[in-house]
Amino acid sequence: GAGVSQSPSNKVTEKGKDVELRCDPISGHTALYWYRQRLGQGLEFLIYFQGNSAPDKSGLPSDRFSAERTGESVSTLTIQRTQQEDSAVYLCASSLRSQETQYFGPGTRLLVL
Amino acid sequence: SQKIEQNSEALNIQEGKTATLTCNYTNYSPAYLQWYRQDPGRGPVFLLLIRENEKEKRKERLKVTFDTTLKQSLFHITASQPADSATYLCALDPSGGYNKLIFGAGTRLAVHP
Repeated sequence: GAGVSQSPSNKVTEKGKDVELRCDPISGHTALYWYRQRLGQGLEFLIYFQGNSAPDKSGLPSDRFSAERTGESVSTLTIQRTQQEDSAVYLCASSLRSQETQYFGPGTRLLVL
Repeated sequence: SQKIEQNSEALNIQEGKTATLTCNYTNYSPAYLQWYRQDPGRGPVFLLLIRENEKEKRKERLKVTFDTTLKQSLFHITASQPADSATYLCALDPSGGYNKLIFGAGTRLAVHP
């Protein structure tokens, strides 16, 4: 079946603009995760959704970052008033349930000029 | 500070040899440690998980060891092939599960024919 998909694959924006990144998890997966990967660095956990529970937002770096998930399907990560340090690859993953293997999408490469 | 360290230098080996990659962590006591493979432009792909009470885990040509005293995991690929060339990441969840993963920056492996 289809894996995790993300869009857009690349995004170039100007400093101060808002961006929305989309993630389509594997169908039937109840858990969804967002990570950020800066150049030459490891992935950083951002936020985690599990079913209808309140999301775990403990990894969000500032209040400019927010994410939503509609039921157990699509998720959107929004970055407001983008800064150059927000430039990174944003990766989404999903798992069948909490505490199970995470399957990653290809990522969205964000460049803030 | 808490961190995960992997050798940032690329590992170059000859086809057929065993590749050994190292993951060291400080100030964590993870219940699990995971290894992923990441190819350029793609998201990480899960390979193996080892629990704190397991010394060694094997899967086909892959072997992982976990030494909680040394705070170190070793990842071995035996009979390496050029197709094994990729970046290998180790990851752990400080909260004791594996939902909020923290990743090392990865070690790039190049297997030469």
